[in-house]
Formats: sequence, C-alpha cells, structure tokens
Amino acid sequence: QKEVEQNSGPLSVPEGAIASLNCTYSDRVSQSFFWYRQYSGKSPELIMSIYSNGDKEDGRFTAQLNKASQYVSLLIRDSQPSDSATYLCAVNNRDDKIIFGKGTRLHILP
Amino acid sequence: EAGVVQSPRYKIIEKKQPVAFWCNPISGHNTLYWYLQNLGQGPELLIRYENEEAVDDSQLPKDRFSAERLKGVDSTLKIQPAELGDSAVYLCASSPLAGAGSYNEQFFGPGTRLTVL
Repeated sequence: QKEVEQNSGPLSVPEGAIASLNCTYSDRVSQSFFWYRQYSGKSPELIMSIYSNGDKEDGRFTAQLNKASQYVSLLIRDSQPSDSATYLCAVNNRDDKIIFGKGTRLHILP
Repeated sequence: EAGVVQSPRYKIIEKKQPVAFWCNPISGHNTLYWYLQNLGQGPELLIRYENEEAVDDSQLPKDRFSAERLKGVDSTLKIQPAELGDSAVYLCASSPLAGAGSYNEQFFGPGTRLTVL
C-alpha cells in the first residue's frame, strides 16, 4: 500500500460547482496534513494545512480530516477556471518525513 | 517577504557532466529540503537539513549526489556524474522552526528543470 494515495484524475467540474478532492494515507500515527496546488510548469504552493479531526475553512477552501478513516479531503466551493491545477496531498509519516501523493488533476469547465 | 530562491531555472547538460543547483531559503527558516519531481509524480525528498545538519538523507543517491548547507542558510545540491535518468525538476523548500505553530508547512522555490542529454 502506498503511503499517500490520490486519484490521478482528471477530475472535471463545472464552473461554480463544488470540487471534491480526496486523499488516503497509510500511517496511523500521521499528525500533519497538507494540500498543495501546482499549476503546470510551476512549483507546489501551500493552500491548506490541517492537524485536527474535523473541518478547517479558508475562503473557498475547506479541508476535512478523519484520522479514524485515514482520510483527508479538500473541497473547493464556487470553482473557478483559475482553480484548474494539480492538487497534491502531503502527510507526515512516523519518521516525520512529509510524503506527497501523486496529485489529482482538476479541470474546471467554463 | 521574499520567497525561496533557486538558480539556475533551467539546465541542459550532457550525461556524465557535473551539475550544481543553488537554493536560498526564506529568511528565518531553519529547515531546508531538496526534492526531485518527475512528470506526473509528487515531489520526492532527497535530503532535509535542520540548520547545518542533514537529518534525513536516506533517499539521496550518495554515489553521485551530494549536498551541503554551509552556515545553515544557502544550500547547494550537486550531481556528478549526471545520468539520463536524472532529468527532472529539482525543488528546494524551506519551513519555519518546528513548534512555531506551522510545523512542516513547506514553501517551495520555483525549481530547476534539468535535462540530461
């Protein structure tokens, strides 16, 4: 089992709708969870971090963490064409190393 | 606040040649990371520094890769000799002091795209 798994996509979402991105992780002792956005040809940009179970909201973005299910998600409300990018989930493992998933490509359809 | 600076942005070399990448982290960030990213993959850690100390270099191919972080600020990653399979984007990232409420939040530089011919 891979340490951090994401559906590679592409995930196509109409403009204005909610985009839901999912990530599962294998190490039960993980404590830190991150979502990065990466535009084509650019470097990853941190958009959300979450450390406790539940929801964390920042503008149009909501991160959701469920440690019992080893699941973290990112919701993007009112999706805009500028949200089209690859979204990387990152999780720290028991060695406190940050492991990145392969990313999910998101396409917002105008 | 200035971000992470990397140079060069692009590098094309022939196989067996040496190459070096330079990184200047965000001021005050004591942790520095070097990652390798292949197309369609997430970043993979090569080495992590806490100040001057390399605390995790388990994924660094030490037969051809080396890194240093003198004075706990700038860092250099070197490949000698380069192989065709080293073509990738090399990313540098930095993060604030652990325990400052933003543990492990990493901020990436623009990366260096290496092409080995």
